[in-house]
Amino acid sequence: EAQVTQNPRYLITVTGKKLTVTCSQNMNHEYMSWYRQDPGLGLRQIYYSMNVEVTDKGDVPEGYKVSRKEKRNFPLILESPSPNQTSLYFCASSWTGNQPQHFGDGTRLSIL
Amino acid sequence: AQSVSQHNHHVILSEAASLELGCNYSYGGTVNLFWYVQYPGQHLQLLLKYFSGDPLVKGIKGFEAEFIKSKFSFNLRKPSVQWSDTAEYFCAFTGNAGNMLTFGGGTRLMVKP
Repeated sequence: EAQVTQNPRYLITVTGKKLTVTCSQNMNHEYMSWYRQDPGLGLRQIYYSMNVEVTDKGDVPEGYKVSRKEKRNFPLILESPSPNQTSLYFCASSWTGNQPQHFGDGTRLSIL
Repeated sequence: AQSVSQHNHHVILSEAASLELGCNYSYGGTVNLFWYVQYPGQHLQLLLKYFSGDPLVKGIKGFEAEFIKSKFSFNLRKPSVQWSDTAEYFCAFTGNAGNMLTFGGGTRLMVKP
């Protein structure tokens, strides 16, 4: 079954404690992306990756890092989380940036 | 900067009513347009897409959308909504480079049985 899998699904943590949200896809897609969803703002792109070792900033990259060492994985790293990063995060993948994206089930982060 | 505006933030309809959700984008070049739906507690799913050709596109579950280039619009329509259509709907597009998918703020639709 084609899937984008995110972990964890829920996380409550404290300011400054580094965390990583993993994302894995089994469709051999080249394009992967991270979004955050906030009420009234829709989804905003954090980072995207066109292929292995190729990443670029989206609209709201501040406070986040990503890596793309293998095609299937695209982890999102918060080195020093702050309360304004409390949000619902979605990972997505597709063949190219222009194609419809497959979304994961989301990760709800609460930073206290 | 590219952007998407969805004018209706909340829409409440009764079953069998007709639906039209507005979407306007801001971009100077060729676009690929999408409507995604997010049912309560779930991830986004593709409703329909427009890449080229016939500007009236049909998607799943009886939804359709019309691309009007002169108005930079891509409105979503359904002739008769059902209670199961209760969800949040997002309009989105990619531009020439196809690197970034830009979303509107979303429209929450509630259909009363």
